[in-house]
Amino acid sequence: SAVISQKPSRDICQRGTSLTIQCQVDSQVTMMFWYRQQPGQSLTLIATANQGSEATYESGFVIDKFPISRPNLTFSTLTVSNMSPEDSSIYLCSVENGLAGSGGEQFFGPGTRLTVL
Amino acid sequence: LAKTTQPISMDSYEGQEVNITCSHNNIATNDYITWYQQFPSQGPRFIIQGYKTKVTNEVASLFIPADRKSSTLSLPRVSLSDTAVYYCLVGDGNRDDKIIFGKGTRLHILP
Repeated sequence: SAVISQKPSRDICQRGTSLTIQCQVDSQVTMMFWYRQQPGQSLTLIATANQGSEATYESGFVIDKFPISRPNLTFSTLTVSNMSPEDSSIYLCSVENGLAGSGGEQFFGPGTRLTVL
Repeated sequence: LAKTTQPISMDSYEGQEVNITCSHNNIATNDYITWYQQFPSQGPRFIIQGYKTKVTNEVASLFIPADRKSSTLSLPRVSLSDTAVYYCLVGDGNRDDKIIFGKGTRLHILP
């Protein structure tokens, strides 16, 4: 299994500002994923981040709003830009179990709880 | 388009066996079935994964019929600490296969 940490664990931000969330993994992984989970809702995939290439964004999410960096195989950041109260959510990063036959099993970080005032 | 369908919520009592069924009528040949558990303020945690028939680990059992169009997560003798949201996912783990979380089942264990 992979151990994933996220910083910050929570934050309260003002409208119009930006917040960068860090995700650190204890092992090298090819793919990292960023999800959003709005209050009481399921997880929605924001983007997939591969080291050395541009992130791939899902429908409804754009790079200008959620820029992602992936400087190495153990680290990624997600920035929530020009925030509004609608961005209040839990943001989670995850990585795949890289073992053959794992069927896409993912390990998740503890999440970053963001509140935008 | 959600790949899976689960009951929105379930209640049970401590000590009971709980079975949560998930429908995945369009499951592909290479897809695995994976269940996650999520407690409040935590990320989802892998519970069990299977391809066909029955899989059992120290936490749960997963029953998959021959047609693989559904699966049942079985939690033996639940306790209050099993109160959580349970998600059923299908996928083959390939890079082009997006992991789509459905709405999950909110399980509430009563004393």
